[in-house]
Amino acid sequence: KAGVTQTPRYLIKTRGQQVTLSCSPISGHRSVSWYQQTPGQGLQFLFEYFSETQRNKGNFPGRFSGRQFSNSRSEMNVSTLELGDSALYLCASSLSAGFSTDTQYFGPGTRLTVL
Amino acid sequence: QKEVEQNSGPLSVPEGAIASLNCTYSDRVSQSFFWYRQYSGKSPELIMSIYSNGDKEDGRFTAQLNKASQYVSLLIRDSQPSDSATYLCAVIGGTDKLIFGTGTRLQVFP
Repeated sequence: KAGVTQTPRYLIKTRGQQVTLSCSPISGHRSVSWYQQTPGQGLQFLFEYFSETQRNKGNFPGRFSGRQFSNSRSEMNVSTLELGDSALYLCASSLSAGFSTDTQYFGPGTRLTVL
Repeated sequence: QKEVEQNSGPLSVPEGAIASLNCTYSDRVSQSFFWYRQYSGKSPELIMSIYSNGDKEDGRFTAQLNKASQYVSLLIRDSQPSDSATYLCAVIGGTDKLIFGTGTRLQVFP
C-alpha cells in the first residue's frame, strides 16, 4: 500500500507570493492533518480535514487555509508569504477523524523556503 | 508555559544502556499521549501510545504515564545506535488537537 505523498517536495518562493501544497493520503484514509515544523517551534498543528470538512484548526493566521476533496486528497494554501513561513510542512493521514485511536501516518513533507 | 515540554537534549547514552526521555504537559484534561520518533531529514513515525496511568511495554520501549503529575516518559532499553533520533512527545488536550513538544534528541554511541 502506498504511503502518504506530498507534492512538491521542495519549494522556493518570495515574500508576498502565495503557495499551494498537496497531500494524497493512504488509500482508504479519510482524515488529513497538516503541520508546520520549524527548528524553534517544533511541530505545530495547522488543521484537520475529514470528509471534506475542516474539523479542527490550530492557532495560525487566516493566510493559512486548506481544503479536502471528495477523494480525500487535501491542499494547503498560504497567501502573502512571510519569511517566517519558511518551514517543513507535513501532512498526516488516518482512517477516521480525531487523533485518539488511529495511528497517523506522516508524509515526507514539503520544504518551503521564503526569500 | 508551553503546552507540552521536553528537554531538547542531546541525551547521550552508551550502546546497551537505558535511555529515559521525559515530557510534561499543562492541560489537565489530556487523555491521549503519544511518542513519535523522527530521524534527521525524515518524517515522524509513531512508536508508542498510552492512555491510562502506569506502564505500557512494547519490545524495548516502555511508556509511562502519571496523570496526577502530568508527566509521560519513554524508556528505551538496550539502546542501539539506530535509536539515535529526535523523540517527540504529543498530547491530545481538551481542544481535541494533537500538540507536540519540540522533541528530545537522543544520541546512542557505540
